[in-house]
Amino acid sequence: EVQLVESGGGLVQPGGSLRLSCAASGFSFSDHYMDWVRQAPGKGLEWVGRIKTKGDSYITEYAASVRGRLTISRDDSRNSLYLQMNSLKTEDTAVYYCARAFLGYCSGGRCSNFDYWGRGILVTVSS
Amino acid sequence: DIQMTQSPSSLSASVGDRVTITCRASQSVNNNLNWYQQKPGKAPNLLVYAASSLQSGVPSRFSGSGSGTDFTLTISSLQPEDFATYYCQQSYSFPLTFGGGTKVEIK
Repeated sequence: EVQLVESGGGLVQPGGSLRLSCAASGFSFSDHYMDWVRQAPGKGLEWVGRIKTKGDSYITEYAASVRGRLTISRDDSRNSLYLQMNSLKTEDTAVYYCARAFLGYCSGGRCSNFDYWGRGILVTVSS
Repeated sequence: DIQMTQSPSSLSASVGDRVTITCRASQSVNNNLNWYQQKPGKAPNLLVYAASSLQSGVPSRFSGSGSGTDFTLTISSLQPEDFATYYCQQSYSFPLTFGGGTKVEIK
């Protein structure tokens, strides 16, 4: 059974830092791209970023709203995904989900979807 | 960035109704379009990928269609467990983007 379990959330002051972790099990973690998606209270879903596999040089992609402040990394030996969050702003308050990216083929070439999600972890940025 | 616009933002329907949700992209995404269902306090759940392919385990009353810029998610006969919020998402280009969501409520 595929499982994704986030940890490390909590309350942090504006300008502070926090590191989220996502422990993966039930699948070959090293073979999959992994993403972070967040959801502010009462709002919709916002993609945060992606990290590719070793075969794709662990390339990362980020949303403009977090680029330079949030950093995604992974440790394939520990089946773990991380989100290092620095210079946090009140607008970063959200539930953060880790999600597995499933790669497929669409009419225009490669495409992806999020086929498994963690339960999410709340990050609150407030003074 | 590709903007994804869903309509309506909310709707009220009865059990047994046919429900259609629309998603429009600001530019063509081919068929790189996914649909998710989210219930309160829960993570999203993948329903449809590549615009019209049903994810394993998803009931056949759900279907997706469209290509280019216009897409629809249809629930052929609404069931009590279908009351939730639905999101479209494009995977054509970065940044990946979601629609604003459509909340399906009980009439």
